[in-house]
Parts: sequence; structure tokens; C-alpha cells
Amino acid sequence: DAGVIQSPRHEVTEMGQEVTLRCKPISGHNSLFWYRQTMMRGLELLIYFNNNVPIDDSGMPEDRFSAKMPNASFSTLKIQPSEPRDSAVYFCASSLGRVDTQYFGPGTRLTVL
Amino acid sequence: AQSVTQPDIHITVSEGASLELRCNYSYGATPYLFWYVQSPGQGLQLLLKYFSGDTLVQGIKGFEAEFKRSQSSFNLRKPSVHWSDAAEYFCAVGATGGDKIIFGKGTRLHILP
Repeated sequence: DAGVIQSPRHEVTEMGQEVTLRCKPISGHNSLFWYRQTMMRGLELLIYFNNNVPIDDSGMPEDRFSAKMPNASFSTLKIQPSEPRDSAVYFCASSLGRVDTQYFGPGTRLTVL
Repeated sequence: AQSVTQPDIHITVSEGASLELRCNYSYGATPYLFWYVQSPGQGLQLLLKYFSGDTLVQGIKGFEAEFKRSQSSFNLRKPSVHWSDAAEYFCAVGATGGDKIIFGKGTRLHILP
């Protein structure tokens, strides 16, 4: 089992650029979660999907953030345009069900200059 | 609404000493309870979970946790800590029929040599 795969592992970009983070969940998992982690705000749930459908996006900070899950094996989190305050580690996690053990990916460390 | 509280932001213990990290939850029904560990630069890893049955749960790396319904607690324990246990620990709660797991803000564990 490869676990949850995230890419890229590190991303450095300039303010105003578009950033796309990618996630491949564990095969057979029906729920997928995007989190953001910073020193100041800790771990925040941004959005989660169940069976590829977005269920709760109330944690998405602004319209600059969007997420998609076109199929069961792939999800993206996009920031357009990016700002320095978006600098954080972004985690993707997947689970069999909504309320079940979540398996986390290694994260993407985003730095916006 | 369900919630989870980790009262201690930082805990420092000496190597070889015992450890207890506190977690309190708020939910009317029987909760699903989890402890995760995050080592520096890593994603979150499941230590143990409680869904039902025996209220004393054994996990990986020598950790255990006890579900106490009367105290709404799920404290994490280890009889003797190792320097490699230095990390951040997250308690999480979910519920049957709920829509997602809620994570606490985390407790950072420091180990003195």
C-alpha cells in the first residue's frame, strides 16, 4: 500500500501566481480531506469530499481557494492568486468513511514570496 | 456540536519518565476517539483509536489510552518515554452518524535528556 501521495512536496512561488497541489488517496477510500497547518493557526480543515462530492467547504478561507475531485483517485487544491499568508503545509488525508481513521499524506510545504 | 480539547499546549518530561497527555471531548453519543502523532516534517500518523469495547486501548510505540465516559476523557499514556517520542500529539473525536472527525489543537511534547 503506497499510502496517500501528495505532490509536489515543496513549492516556492511568487505572490500572484497560481498554485496547484495534488493528492492521490488510498485506493478504496471514499472520503478525502484537505488540511492546512501553520504555527499560528494549527491544523485547519479546509474541505472534504465523500464519494468525489464536496461535502463541506466552510473551511476554505477565500474564493482564491478551490478544490476538485474529478475521480476517486485524484484531487487538487488550487490557490489563485497566491499570497504570502498562504504559506503553510497542506495535508491531504483519506479514509474509508467520513468518521473513520484518516491516513495522512506527507504534506506539501508551500512558500509564497 | 462535537468538540475536543487538549488543555496542554506544551509538555516537557525527562527521558525515561512516564507521560500522560490529556484530551477531553464533548459529544452526547458514544464517540469515536483517536490519537495521532506528528514528528517534525512529517504527516500525522495514527497511534491508536477507540470505537467500542475495552476502554483501555493499546497502540503503537508503546502508547495506550483509556476512555472514561464519566470524565469525557481519552488521555494518552506511556510508562517510559524515549527521546524519539518528541513530537506533536493530536487527539480527535468523531461520532456515529457524524460527518467528520474533529481534531484538537495538539500538545507538543519535549523530552529532556
